[in-house]
Amino acid sequence: GAVVSQHPSWVICKSGTSVKIECRSLDFQATTMFWYRQFPKQSLMLMATSNEGSKATYEQGVEKDKFLINHASLTLSTLTVTSAHPEDSSFYICSAPVAGGGTDTQYFGPGTRLTVL
Amino acid sequence: AQSVTQLGSHVSVSEGALVLLRCNYSSSVPPYLFWYVQYPNQGLQLLLKYTSAATLVKGINGFEAEFKKSETSFHLTKPSAHMSDAAEYFCAVSEGSNYQLIWGAGTKLIIKP
Repeated sequence: GAVVSQHPSWVICKSGTSVKIECRSLDFQATTMFWYRQFPKQSLMLMATSNEGSKATYEQGVEKDKFLINHASLTLSTLTVTSAHPEDSSFYICSAPVAGGGTDTQYFGPGTRLTVL
Repeated sequence: AQSVTQLGSHVSVSEGALVLLRCNYSSSVPPYLFWYVQYPNQGLQLLLKYTSAATLVKGINGFEAEFKKSETSFHLTKPSAHMSDAAEYFCAVSEGSNYQLIWGAGTKLIIKP
């Protein structure tokens, strides 16, 4: 199947700093990527849809100025958590859809665990 | 509006026993249905998907799921549980090609020796 990578897999930062998380599609091109947030023992919450060459679409309640998304190429989307606070600590997961078989299947990155001290 | 309900936040079975994880959905149009598995501290891996072809879908690792329109269900089963099946399982539904998935809350599968 298609492979999606994320970097870093784990990051600790101080409150007030910014953290960038990369999501790459390794063997396919992705004009669309999704960013999710997962709280402990909970399901995934869609944060935003990243579109190559255009602005991201944010879900209701997600601060676009805090969670900056850049989809600079067909294989890379980045999520920058600006001025991070402890409440931003979470597991962030990206995904990219691959068309085929009459439907589109999302392939997920391994996730990035962010801890803000 | 679409929604997905997974009955049971935790399911515990003995090794070798039948695994049954329940998923019910609501959708105004024929849906696409997915089961994903998440191992600790990892991303999600697609187990199987229903795309309006055969109602019984076979996936990886011996799992399968049956789409029952009359019951609006897409339960996940495996005849014989292995210790390596211990993980979190998520059911998701999509109504079309906008790629967006609506997620169930997840079911943690515990395998007893």
